[in-house]
Amino acid sequence: DAGVTQSPTHLIKTRGQQVTLRCSPKSGHDTVSWYQQALGQGPQFIFQYYEEEERQRGNFPDRFSGHQFPNYSSELNVNALLLGDSALYLCASNGGGSGTNEKLFFGSGTQLSVL
Amino acid sequence: QQPVQSPQAVILREGEDAVINCSSSKALYSVHWYRQKHGEAPVFLMILLKGGEQKGHEKISASFNEKKQQSSLYLTASQLSYSGTYFCGTEETRYNFNKFYFGSGTKLNVKP
Repeated sequence: DAGVTQSPTHLIKTRGQQVTLRCSPKSGHDTVSWYQQALGQGPQFIFQYYEEEERQRGNFPDRFSGHQFPNYSSELNVNALLLGDSALYLCASNGGGSGTNEKLFFGSGTQLSVL
Repeated sequence: QQPVQSPQAVILREGEDAVINCSSSKALYSVHWYRQKHGEAPVFLMILLKGGEQKGHEKISASFNEKKQQSSLYLTASQLSYSGTYFCGTEETRYNFNKFYFGSGTKLNVKP
């Protein structure tokens, strides 16, 4: 049973460019959340997708957008990249339809470097 | 509201005990604990719910003081495999659909 898979594992971009990160949730999971983890910090919630819609959003600008597909996989898009967007981007999934007490299964992340 | 974890780092010898604390300025519904090893994904350890219910790891225990909005993770008779960074994640309401606020982590290093 595959867990949460993310691609690519590493990415280097320059300021102003746009990037798309991809995530496939654990089998049987319908909810995908994205987190940004800066070096030495805890994960910061970006947003969550359920039933192909954004259900929750953290304090991130509109440059961060996402999408969920009918097969529950998800994409995170970041436009107009800034140096401060350099971080590990984690995808987490859970069978969160009920919305409560669900442990998260994390992918290994995409390390984004903005030069 | 991001919870505050303490200590920031701990160095132990195998067999020693450690306590990691997580404190929030907001009332909490649940606290989750995760461990992340270098270069790997965070892995679930424990859920503690308002009202006392716990779900999680057999060899790791935790407490949740709802009135003080605090949780503590107890690592007893530590093993080398316990090394990693421990994060607490907090939920402020019951139907927050797992929108967590994570602390900045406690780095645990267990030496032989």
